[in-house]
Amino acid sequence: KAGVTQTPRYLIKTRGQQVTLSCSPISGHRSVSWYQQTPGQGLQFLFEYFSETQRNKGNFPGRFSGRQFSNSRSEMNVSTLELGDSALYLCASSLGQEADTQYFGPGTRLTVL
Amino acid sequence: EDKVVQSPLSLVVHEGDTVTLNCSYEVTNFRSLLWYKQEKKAPTFLFMLTSSGIEKKSGRLSSILDKKELSSILNITATQTGDSAIYLCAVRSGGSNYKLTFGKGTLLTVNP
Repeated sequence: KAGVTQTPRYLIKTRGQQVTLSCSPISGHRSVSWYQQTPGQGLQFLFEYFSETQRNKGNFPGRFSGRQFSNSRSEMNVSTLELGDSALYLCASSLGQEADTQYFGPGTRLTVL
Repeated sequence: EDKVVQSPLSLVVHEGDTVTLNCSYEVTNFRSLLWYKQEKKAPTFLFMLTSSGIEKKSGRLSSILDKKELSSILNITATQTGDSAIYLCAVRSGGSNYKLTFGKGTLLTVNP
């Protein structure tokens, strides 16, 4: 089974721009979660989508948004980029059931200049 | 607010040593505790623990959960240089919605 894939793997943007990141979950997985990883804060939960609905949200500003498509693929959008948004953005997929495990993709490294 | 604390933050050992990594948590409506290993790429799943006192084992790695003490340990015996990585502890809380709260991780360096 193919793992979680994320595109692009690396991205360089300037302040004020917006960016869209994509995540394709493991086949059959209906839940996709997004995380931001920085050296200072570690891994922080952004949001989770299940069957095209946002099921849970972390403590991030409204500039961070996402969506999920009917094939379970998910996109994350960050508008009006700030320097502090530079991070590794990880996507994880799971079946979405009570006791299952999340599997992570390789991440997108975003650098904001 | 849910909280997960790992200790130590970093550790340097020699090949062959045994290490114990700690994770403590304060969450509402605990569901499970997970351990991940992260090298220079995505975290890879190691263990999921839901029941107190039951050890999970995979090769030289083992982990156990203590729900009374709200903590877990990850043991690695006969360490190898390939064990060098960040070890992440995460706790799942809430109902059917999936939210993981991660600790900051323990950076393990195994020297030859």
